[in-house]
Amino acid sequence: SQQGEEDPQALSIQEGENATMNCSYKTSINNLQWYRQNSGRGLVHLILIRSNEREKHSGRLRVTLDTSKKSSSLLITASRAADTASYFCATAPNYTGANSKLTFGKGITLSVRP
Amino acid sequence: ETGVTQSPTHLIKTRGQQVTLRCSSQSGHNTVSWYQQALGQGPQFIFQYYREEENGRGNFPPRFSGLQFPNYSSELNVNALELDDSALYLCASSLNIPILSGYTFGSGTRLTVV
Repeated sequence: SQQGEEDPQALSIQEGENATMNCSYKTSINNLQWYRQNSGRGLVHLILIRSNEREKHSGRLRVTLDTSKKSSSLLITASRAADTASYFCATAPNYTGANSKLTFGKGITLSVRP
Repeated sequence: ETGVTQSPTHLIKTRGQQVTLRCSSQSGHNTVSWYQQALGQGPQFIFQYYREEENGRGNFPPRFSGLQFPNYSSELNVNALELDDSALYLCASSLNIPILSGYTFGSGTRLTVV
């Protein structure tokens, strides 16, 4: 079952514009992570934000987390054609016992037009 | 970029056959998780191995089984293949409890069942 639900499902922007992607989840989390996937290949870890953090930056990436609304957003600033990919949010449950696992959403397809 | 190696990259099997997929985890990582990603969907957790023991399993039937070896490499075995098993199979490694840090994914094995 999917824990995170991203929106929009697809996003098309011009190079240089900012891209904002949202993720909502249902249960209590330890942290939330964002991944990128190019052309159906392996996923690349982008950034992790813990449940006690509200905002985090990494290069052109900015992630926010609102645990009261159970939602997160990923902002990519000054987008480039190379940012074209699928983006997934993944949630880590608020326990670390057996069966603890990252649960991924369905993903957002981002297209950046040159 | 990735230290996780999966083989083979592509595979075509006939319904009812058995398949073994392999994963070499990143050096120093002792935890391996396997995910199944159907076309257009997010990765679904199959199971996780920590120091050669299964450490959690998703909602997959027993015909999906796995192993982790002393060098922390891993295998995913699927018996009695069904058409719906056609998917990208992803291996992810991490040190200790992966949900508290990011996963390192391999490029995946694309399995087609005909």
